[in-house]
Amino acid sequence: NAGVTQTPKFRVLKTGQSMTLLCAQDMNHEYMYWYRQDPGMGLRLIHYSVGEGTTAKGEVPDGYNVSRLKKQNFLLGLESAAPSQTSVYFCASSYPTGGNSPLHFGNGTRLTVT
Amino acid sequence: AQSVTQLDSQVPVFEEAPVELRCNYSSSVSVYLFWYVQYPNQGLQLLLKYLSGSTLVKGINGFEAEFNKSQTSFHLRKPSVHISDTAEYFCAVRNDYKLSFGAGTTVTVRA
Repeated sequence: NAGVTQTPKFRVLKTGQSMTLLCAQDMNHEYMYWYRQDPGMGLRLIHYSVGEGTTAKGEVPDGYNVSRLKKQNFLLGLESAAPSQTSVYFCASSYPTGGNSPLHFGNGTRLTVT
Repeated sequence: AQSVTQLDSQVPVFEEAPVELRCNYSSSVSVYLFWYVQYPNQGLQLLLKYLSGSTLVKGINGFEAEFNKSQTSFHLRKPSVHISDTAEYFCAVRNDYKLSFGAGTTVTVRA
């Protein structure tokens, strides 16, 4: 019973490098999300998806791209990493039951951009 | 638009003492309210949720929260904390797909 799995767990990038974070869920959830967590700011929504093949921008989408080619996977890409993107990234998923369904979170990816 | 304000960023508390974490929200539509807990180096886990009905909601690990519509609050309480309750706690409000979080409250339980 894996739930939401994020890979990698840790990553260090140099400014300008690119990378992709992978999120996989085995709960057949329609909705998937990418958040970033920074001290004193809680979690902020980067992008989300309400179904396979669809994505949308959240509060802080600049510098990130996403894809949802398969229902169970949600990829977050950084094309040209910047130090401001140093953060802990969390993926989450949920059922689309009108908003009353809680989100299930992965354990996070800690990214450092030097 | 919806937003969440957690009124305390840090709450130190002694073991076996009660604790209350304050959360106020704003929203133009009906919302669903949640409290999540994050233990060190882990993801977020659901503590409890308010969807409708009774305004007093009980969650896991002895936590409970009270929804107050007139004061737009959803405060979290536990009558007697343990060392293992040391964690960061997040209040969140959800409307359809979007879940908005407060900045978090760090609870440190000391012996």
